[in-house]
Amino acid sequence: DVKVTQSSRYLVKRTGEKVFLECVQDMDHENMFWYRQDPGLGLRLIYFSYDVKMKEKGDIPEGYSVSREKKERFSLILESASTNQTSMYLCASSHGTSGAGEQFFGPGTRLTVL
Amino acid sequence: GEDVEQSLFLSVREGDSSVINCTYTDSSSTYLYWYKQEPGAGLQLLTYIFSNMDMKQDQRLTVLLNKKDKHLSLRIADTQTGDSAIYFCAETGDYKLSFGAGTTVTVRA
Repeated sequence: DVKVTQSSRYLVKRTGEKVFLECVQDMDHENMFWYRQDPGLGLRLIYFSYDVKMKEKGDIPEGYSVSREKKERFSLILESASTNQTSMYLCASSHGTSGAGEQFFGPGTRLTVL
Repeated sequence: GEDVEQSLFLSVREGDSSVINCTYTDSSSTYLYWYKQEPGAGLQLLTYIFSNMDMKQDQRLTVLLNKKDKHLSLRIADTQTGDSAIYFCAETGDYKLSFGAGTTVTVRA
């Protein structure tokens, strides 16, 4: 059974803290993605990676960075968390070097920044 | 995604058909997808259609594609309570998908 796991289901942090969200996939997928999901806005792409140590900005990268040191792991970093980063964060992965293909999603991390 | 539009809510009676509509803008999209998100879970691929097809049927699901109007629809026959979820349509671009805002489907008895 294919799997994308995320390090936490729920997280509460304070404004200004550095936050790490971890994502691991066991499908040997080349592509990995970080989205945030907000009511009425759907999924918005923050960053994606199509290979180890490669990263590309998505639609809303401001305030975020990412790291992909190993193929199976893709980390999202909030350098200094702010209240407007309170959201549901979804990680996904997909196979292939061209096109989006089918994406497999983790269960999400609901982050609250106080 | 601002390039993919869906209505936000749909209420349907159990046993009736549900129709969820979506419009997209990228005519070069190779595939168009429907994802389902159940409460408290991530998204799961429900079905997809290749851009050179008009229709695809998969058990209770029927996908219709009108390329000229850039309109995609998902019909769920005999809607059940387990179909209550958020449904997202998505179009492909290089390396990434663009998602609509999601349609919340509520099934009432």
